[in-house]
Amino acid sequence: DTGVSQDPRHKITKRGQNVTFRCDPISEHNRLYWYRQTLGQGPEFLTYFQNEAQLEKSRLLSDRFSAERPKGSFSTLEIQRTEQGDSAMYLCASSLGTGGYTFGSGTRLTVV
Amino acid sequence: AQKITQTQPGMFVQEKEAVTLDCTYDTSDQSYGLFWYKQPSSGEMIFLIYQGSYDEQNATEGRYSLNFQKARKSANLVISASQLGDSAMYFCAMREKNYGQNFVFGPGTRLSVLP
Repeated sequence: DTGVSQDPRHKITKRGQNVTFRCDPISEHNRLYWYRQTLGQGPEFLTYFQNEAQLEKSRLLSDRFSAERPKGSFSTLEIQRTEQGDSAMYLCASSLGTGGYTFGSGTRLTVV
Repeated sequence: AQKITQTQPGMFVQEKEAVTLDCTYDTSDQSYGLFWYKQPSSGEMIFLIYQGSYDEQNATEGRYSLNFQKARKSANLVISASQLGDSAMYFCAMREKNYGQNFVFGPGTRLSVLP
């Protein structure tokens, strides 16, 4: 296992299009987190899963955002009707219980 | 209100010198953890060091040490013997027991190591 994988690394999309990102956590990790990082800022929490259950969502996660972790393994984050303000790095992390996080390298989204 | 404050947007340090990156935090929780992460240009967040609120000793991990002053609510990162590969963004983060499992990150400090 080489850590947390995110796909794609970069995504350029036109405003109004839908995009979906994937995160594959470390296999034995039961918790998975999504963060968003805009330029010059620290990451901001979006949501987290314990196994397949989505346990917490930030108010940053508008109705256009949806995240799933259907079998408690990989997760997807979908953004519908993208806006320019959605341009950011989307980071995924995983942990075993309340242990330390391992972050992926992120998906950089650019909305044009 | 900012939960994590990093007052140094950018820092320069000469190779082989030590550098201190500042972090202050705000919490009413008694149980919390403080973390430092490094983010190189590749984007990955790399865990460096952890300090628990009840830990009496300052945390150390190789060239990294954390100067934890609980009464002042500060958790400064000290990097000794800086290397060119230390050039990156550094983020201080806090996780509070009573506020879920998510981290709150500071705005970061960009460290540049000069040859």
